[in-house]
Amino acid sequence: DQQVKQNSPSLSVQEGRISILNCDYTNSMFDYFLWYKKYPAEGPTFLISISSIKDKNEDGRFTVFLNKSAKHLSLHIVPSQPGDSAVYFCAASYNNNDMRFGAGTRLTVKP
Amino acid sequence: DSGVTQTPKHLITATGQRVTLRCSPRSGDLSVYWYQQSLDQGLQFLIQYYNGEERAKGNILERFSAQQFPDLHSELNLSSLELGDSALYFCASSVTQGNSPLHFGNGTRLTVT
Repeated sequence: DQQVKQNSPSLSVQEGRISILNCDYTNSMFDYFLWYKKYPAEGPTFLISISSIKDKNEDGRFTVFLNKSAKHLSLHIVPSQPGDSAVYFCAASYNNNDMRFGAGTRLTVKP
Repeated sequence: DSGVTQTPKHLITATGQRVTLRCSPRSGDLSVYWYQQSLDQGLQFLIQYYNGEERAKGNILERFSAQQFPDLHSELNLSSLELGDSALYFCASSVTQGNSPLHFGNGTRLTVT
């Protein structure tokens, strides 16, 4: 039961350009959405979140956009840096219960 | 450092055996979550506890069980192990007073031979 989907397993961008990672969800009850970053041999680390009452949240180089009608969210990284290379997971939950994760997108930022 | 501690880091055992994975949440966090990640796949939600009580259940096998103790640490018990149970098992914690991010430990890598 894949309630959160990341359809792109990998993405490669040039340093300095924009990285756009996408995520779709099926459960309309979700009210809280997050992006996590994961390096090898470490647990996922929280990056940015957005509640369902907003459509955009920005934190430095990272911006998350939420389109509730399309059940779609995206993460924009501008400008991309080599240190951003990692696996990115989107996640969603309802009232912080039962948080579901996508399969992840491996981002490679080339110098 | 997320403040979530998982032990052991690595575990190698044989099929049919039983193991226990341990998690200490961040100080003050009442909720504990368990996830399984197999072979570069996504994080599969197993189970969530809040202040000692089961709050939500995902695709957890009947051979697996978990509990959260009065001191809020949690254990995940895996029994009758199969080769396919080899995976990274992550624990995460959060303060569930409204929406808040989960904070993950570095995982326990289980290898079943």
